[in-house]
Amino acid sequence: SQQGEEDPQALSIQEGENATMNCSYKTSINNLQWYRQNSGRGLVHLILIRSNEREKHSGRLRVTLDTSKKSSSLLITASRAADTASYFCATDPNGGSQGNLIFGKGTKLSVKP
Amino acid sequence: GAGVSQSPSNKVTEKGKDVELRCDPISGHTALYWYRQSLGQGLEFLIYFQGNSAPDKSGLPSDRFSAERTGGSVSTLTIQRTQQEDSAVYLCASSFSSSGYEQYFGPGTRLTVT
Repeated sequence: SQQGEEDPQALSIQEGENATMNCSYKTSINNLQWYRQNSGRGLVHLILIRSNEREKHSGRLRVTLDTSKKSSSLLITASRAADTASYFCATDPNGGSQGNLIFGKGTKLSVKP
Repeated sequence: GAGVSQSPSNKVTEKGKDVELRCDPISGHTALYWYRQSLGQGLEFLIYFQGNSAPDKSGLPSDRFSAERTGGSVSTLTIQRTQQEDSAVYLCASSFSSSGYEQYFGPGTRLTVT
C-alpha cells in the first residue's frame, strides 16, 4: 500500500519560478526523505528531515514537515531547466520499525526554459 | 568512490523463463534494498537485507520472486517463470544502515518479458 502521496502529480513551470510539491503520509515516522529521478532510472537523494525537525534547507531546496498533519512540502526556488525530473517523498513507516522506505508515486516537474 | 552497480542494465526474456538480476552495493553499507518500478509509477518495495539478519521479504509479490545476499555484499534477485506483468525497472539501493539513512540507488535493470 502507498504510504506517501505526492501532489500535484505533474507540475509545469517557467525557468526562474518556484516549484512546490507536497507529500502526505499515513503512519508515524522517524524521518522523511525526498528523492529525484531523471529518465526513469536511479534515484538521487536530495534531503532528509527528521520527525523532530520542522524545516530544513539545502541550497535552493527547502523542506517542511508537519507531523500533526502528516505532511511535507518540497520547495525548489529559482528553478532551472535541469530541475526537470520526477520527485518522490519516502518515509520509514511505523516509526522506522520496518527498516525499509515507502515511496509515493511522485510529482513530475517540467521546467521550461 | 564507486556507487551501487546493477547488471544487466537491460534484460529481455521470454515469458516462462527465469532471470537473475545482480546488485553490487557500496562497500561498507550493511543495508541493501530491492524495489520495482512500473512505467510512470512510484517505487514498490520488494525485499531488504540488514547485516546478518533474516531479510524482510514482506514486499515480494509472489513466491516466484526470491533474493539472496552473499557474504553481506552482492545480492541477486531471481524471478522464476517470468510473466508479462513482471516487466518493470528493478532498482537496488544500499545504505549505511537501515532506517534514518539515505539510500544510494543503482541505475536499475529494465526487464522486459515478451
